[in-house]
Amino acid sequence: GENVEQHPSTLSVQEGDSAVIKCTYSDSASNYFPWYKQELGKGPQLIIDIRSNVGEKKDQRIAVTLNKTAKHFSLHITETQPEDSAVYFCAASIQGGSEKLVFGKGTKLTVNP
Amino acid sequence: DAGITQSPRHKVTETGTPVTLRCHQTENHRYMYWYRQDPGHGLRLIHYSYGVKDTDKGEVSDGYSVSRSKTEDFLLTLESATSSQTSVYFCAISSDRDYGYTFGSGTRLTVV
Repeated sequence: GENVEQHPSTLSVQEGDSAVIKCTYSDSASNYFPWYKQELGKGPQLIIDIRSNVGEKKDQRIAVTLNKTAKHFSLHITETQPEDSAVYFCAASIQGGSEKLVFGKGTKLTVNP
Repeated sequence: DAGITQSPRHKVTETGTPVTLRCHQTENHRYMYWYRQDPGHGLRLIHYSYGVKDTDKGEVSDGYSVSRSKTEDFLLTLESATSSQTSVYFCAISSDRDYGYTFGSGTRLTVV
């Protein structure tokens, strides 16, 4: 079945720096790749997603890139702020759609003021 | 969050007792999911539903059962709770294929 590897498990950056989180997936049929942000004590919240027919997507300070050939995708956060501190999860669809998602194990991002 | 409510938010129960967690949505979404979240394991799918009375197993379904008798409610039951089922449980909903999930706020379950 689908396997999603996420790196790094922890990431610490200075405010204003960029942060990059990378994920790899195993199922070449996967075609939907969302990213979630989870703040302490809350459920994960969708922040950006990308589909397999697109190589890059941006939303203000957040961008996601997808390399289908290499089966990896990345989250890029620019000009980080303390409120970006959270756990971030990548995910990949299985069975060709988002009917089910497999999640990475998460990256704890800390942005130091 | 976006019309999805989990109850209870916290529960402590004894080993061997049955436990039912409830997920209620007001979005009329077709798909509903139960995940558990544990340190070092991320989010793992327990069961999911693609319609009323239509459910299927996820990767960690042993020891769990589900029911969906109405579009808005998805129940997760631990038939006989064990300490290994101590976890945070999240419900999620999705309107159709290729749409992102919306998660509830979670239920923290402790089995002693």
